[in-house]
Amino acid sequence: GAGVSQSPSNKVTEKGKDVELRCDPISGHTALYWYRQSLGQGLEFLIYFQGNSAPDKSGLPSDRFSAERTGGSVSTLTIQRTQQEDSAVYLCASSPFFEQETQYFGPGTRLLVL
Amino acid sequence: SQQGEEDPQALSIQEGENATMNCSYKTSINNLQWYRQNSGRGLVHLILIRSNEREKHSGRLRVTLDTSKKSSSLLITASRAADTASYFCATDRDSNYQLIWGAGTKLIIKP
Repeated sequence: GAGVSQSPSNKVTEKGKDVELRCDPISGHTALYWYRQSLGQGLEFLIYFQGNSAPDKSGLPSDRFSAERTGGSVSTLTIQRTQQEDSAVYLCASSPFFEQETQYFGPGTRLLVL
Repeated sequence: SQQGEEDPQALSIQEGENATMNCSYKTSINNLQWYRQNSGRGLVHLILIRSNEREKHSGRLRVTLDTSKKSSSLLITASRAADTASYFCATDRDSNYQLIWGAGTKLIIKP
């Protein structure tokens, strides 16, 4: 079946602009996660959704970052007034309700803020 | 905050040799997972070992877990060029399924 998809695959933007990153999880997966990965580093947790609610937003680095999930499916991560330090790969993952320990990752969106 | 730390940071071996990577973590866990990341396939789950397990096998992969030392190792036997990738350990935190990741070990298999 189809895996997790993310769009766009690459995004170049100018400092100060807003960007939206999209994640389509595996159909039927209830849990959805956003991570950020800087070059040569591990993953930094951003936010976790269970269904449409986000019980854990603890990883969002600032109030410029927000995320929503609608219909228990697609999620959008929005970064407002982008800064150069926001440049990274943004990864989305999803898990089924009865196997939430294992996360299935999308290919990521590579964001470059000039 | 970073929970897992992989060791070594980079490892280069000849094809056919075995590769061993280690992961240390700080707090108690329910389970520990290993993932592989390469440019072709992105980040892929390899194996999960629970806190009450000491060893687990999957094909050419062998994972051990020592909760007393808060460490785990991943052994890849008979390495292949396709094993070239970065390998990450990830541990859960409490029971909210938030995974905490190390910085990874970059493995290069030389033909």
